[in-house]
Amino acid sequence: GAGVSQSPSNKVTEKGKDVELRCDPISGHTALYWYRQSLGQGLEFLIYFQGNSAPDKSGLPSDRFSAERTGGSVSTLTIQRTQQEDSAVYLCASGSSDTQYFGPGTRLTVL
Amino acid sequence: ELKVEQNPLFLSMQEGKNYTIYCNYSTTSDRLYWYRQDPGKSLESLFVLLSNGAVKQEGRLMASLDTKARLSTLHITAAVHDLSATYFCAVDGVQGAQKLVFGQGTRLTINP
Repeated sequence: GAGVSQSPSNKVTEKGKDVELRCDPISGHTALYWYRQSLGQGLEFLIYFQGNSAPDKSGLPSDRFSAERTGGSVSTLTIQRTQQEDSAVYLCASGSSDTQYFGPGTRLTVL
Repeated sequence: ELKVEQNPLFLSMQEGKNYTIYCNYSTTSDRLYWYRQDPGKSLESLFVLLSNGAVKQEGRLMASLDTKARLSTLHITAAVHDLSATYFCAVDGVQGAQKLVFGQGTRLTINP
């Protein structure tokens, strides 16, 4: 079946612009996660959605970051007023009971 | 704060040899995950270890978990070039929520 998909695969933006990253999870998965992978910080948890519960935003690095999940499916991660330190690969994962399945990621470059 | 540490971070080995990657974590957790990442690619799930003493094997890879020692190992038997990749272990940051805290990764290079 189809895996987790993310778009765009690459995004280059200028400092100060807003960006939106999209994640389509595996159908039927109630859990959805966003992570960030960068050279300096490794793999970091950002935010977690589980069903209709309020999201766990404890990993978001600043209030410039937000995410939503519509209809329990597609999720969008928004970064406002991007900074150069936001450059990273943003990975989305969706989960069944024991395993997270990762998407291909969006490589964000902030110039 | 939960910390996950892998050792070694870089490993270069010859085909046919055996080696072990170690993953230590700092707080109690019953779940440990191993992932593989090829260059420019995403993370591929290898093993999910759900209890103390769990051992799982797939091909030339075998993973084990000792929750009392807070240690997991990934053992590579008779390595082949196709196993060259970066291997990550991860632990639940919050029990049951799967907010994964990852190790630094072990970059494994297997030379013919």
